[in-house]
Amino acid sequence: SAVISQKPSRDICQRGTSLTIQCQVDSQVTMMFWYRQQPGQSLTLIATANQGSEATYESGFVIDKFPISRPNLTFSTLTVSNMSPEDSSIYLCSVEGRQVNTEAFFGQGTRLTVV
Amino acid sequence: GENVEQHPSTLSVQEGDSAVIKCTYSDSASNYFPWYKQELGKGPQLIIDIRSNVGEKKDQRIAVTLNKTAKHFSLHITETQPEDSAVYFCAARGYGGATNKLIFGTGTLLAVQP
Repeated sequence: SAVISQKPSRDICQRGTSLTIQCQVDSQVTMMFWYRQQPGQSLTLIATANQGSEATYESGFVIDKFPISRPNLTFSTLTVSNMSPEDSSIYLCSVEGRQVNTEAFFGQGTRLTVV
Repeated sequence: GENVEQHPSTLSVQEGDSAVIKCTYSDSASNYFPWYKQELGKGPQLIIDIRSNVGEKKDQRIAVTLNKTAKHFSLHITETQPEDSAVYFCAARGYGGATNKLIFGTGTLLAVQP
């Protein structure tokens, strides 16, 4: 399994500001994903972070609101822009290996509260 | 696209009893079904998974069964312990768009009473 470090683990932010979340993996992985988990809810995929190119966003999520970078195979960032209280959630980084249908592992999450 | 339903939403058992959580999926092309355990304040942890070429898989007190015809799979925990208390999520890998993505169930809050 991969060791995934996600920073920050939690933050309280003012509405209208932006927060960048970092995800670092201890080995090269093919796929990196970002999920949102609203309070008491399941996991919803925001986007797939593609190395060296634009991320692939799921329906309901746009690049202007959730810009994503992935400069190499072990690191990605998710920015939550122009935050509102509705953005208060846990944001999770996930990684998968090179083979087809490999296991997906998650970071510990970033608990974001927007006030 | 894929849709995953999970039941029950909450489950309370006595320590030592068994717990069963069930999920159904809609996409017959799905062939990978993991289960995750999420403790409070932590990220989901993969506890067991099954691929469509097998019907059952066990790992100590945890087992998963898969019925491809009926498109449902279940998590079985035997001899439950208080440390099994957590939220459990099932998932299915659906096919569509540019990526094969995991679709998650709505979660089951398991409480093991000592």
